[in-house]
Amino acid sequence: NAGVTQTPKFQVLKTGQSMTLQCAQDMNHEYMSWYRQDPGMGLRLIHYSVGAGITDQGEVPNGYNVSRSTTEDFPLRLLSAAPSQTSVYFCASSYGAGGLDEQYFGPGTRLTVT
Amino acid sequence: AQSVTQLDSHVSVSEGTPVLLRCNYSSSYSPSLFWYVQHPNKGLQLLLKYTSAATLVKGINGFEAEFKKSETSFHLTKPSAHMSDAAEYFCVVRRNAGNMLTFGGGTRLMVKP
Repeated sequence: NAGVTQTPKFQVLKTGQSMTLQCAQDMNHEYMSWYRQDPGMGLRLIHYSVGAGITDQGEVPNGYNVSRSTTEDFPLRLLSAAPSQTSVYFCASSYGAGGLDEQYFGPGTRLTVT
Repeated sequence: AQSVTQLDSHVSVSEGTPVLLRCNYSSSYSPSLFWYVQHPNKGLQLLLKYTSAATLVKGINGFEAEFKKSETSFHLTKPSAHMSDAAEYFCVVRRNAGNMLTFGGGTRLMVKP
């Protein structure tokens, strides 16, 4: 049981490049989400999904795109990377959608945009 | 809208002394509140949660938190700090029936030998 996995662990991009951050979970959780963590700001929700085929915007969605074709996978796409997107990105999942369940977090992806 | 304020960005204690990490929240609805811990270069792990049952909530590793509606607070405490408690702690509020979590800015706990 791997829990929530994220790849890559580290990534350096040049301004304007695009890339996809991968997230997968093997717990059959309905709810998945992406956060970014910046110093002194806690975690901020980028996008979330309450089940396959359903996604919605969080607090800071601009510049990011998501899709949820399967229960297991929830990739995050950076369309045209900007230095302001330098951050640590965490994927999380939980059993219930809209419920009060514990969020299980992946180990994070550290992204630097130059 | 809900928000969370962690009153201290850094807290330093000596091993064996009590820990107090402060959190105030605002919410238009009856909130659900959580504390998560993040050890260096790791993801976040749930310490405890309040979901409108008992106001004193016990979590893992000897931590507990008390929900005080009149003070809009949810402070995290531990009677005796251990070196392994050194980490960053996040207070989180979730609006009931909502899908969004709002995180506080975090408190970094340092434990001196």
